[in-house]
Amino acid sequence: GAGVSQSPRYKVAKRGQDVALRCDPISGHVSLFWYQQALGQGPEFLTYFQNEAQLDKSGLPSDRFFAERPEGSVSTLKIQRTQQEDSAVYLCASSMKWVGEAQETQYFGPGTRLLVL
Amino acid sequence: SQQGEEDPQALSIQEGENATMNCSYKTSINNLQWYRQNSGRGLVHLILIRSNEREKHSGRLRVTLDTSKKSSSLLITASRAADTASYFCATPRAGRRALTFGSGTRLQVQP
Repeated sequence: GAGVSQSPRYKVAKRGQDVALRCDPISGHVSLFWYQQALGQGPEFLTYFQNEAQLDKSGLPSDRFFAERPEGSVSTLKIQRTQQEDSAVYLCASSMKWVGEAQETQYFGPGTRLLVL
Repeated sequence: SQQGEEDPQALSIQEGENATMNCSYKTSINNLQWYRQNSGRGLVHLILIRSNEREKHSGRLRVTLDTSKKSSSLLITASRAADTASYFCATPRAGRRALTFGSGTRLQVQP
């Protein structure tokens, strides 16, 4: 079966431009996560959805970052007025288990590499 | 901020040798997971060890967990060039679903 897919794979934006990054999770996975990974670092959590509900957005670095998952499947991460410090790889992950299940595996997409000039 | 720290930051070995990398974390956990990341396949889950387990095996991988020292180790036996990648430990954030990752160990296996 298909894994998690993300598009675009690469995005170059001029500072101040808005960008939208798309994630298609594994079919049937109710949980969806966005992470940001800076060069040479581990991924850092941005936000989490269970179906269409955004249950945790504590990792979003500023109000320029916005995520949605309106129908509980595909998710979009939007960054408004991009800054150079937003340059990173944005990873999407999905998993099967519901909130309350303590132990589960996250399946990651290939990421979108964003470069802000 | 990152919960875990991997050690060493970088490791270079010859094919056939064993590779050991360590992870330390700060808070109590329910489980600890190891992931591998390379440019070809992205971030891939390798193994999960629960807090009540001390050791777990999966193929050429052996993971240990010492909750009293808040540390874990990943051993890759009989390494192959294809094992070249970055390895990350990850733990669930307290009371939350998201994972907190360490900064990773970059493993280079020379053929």
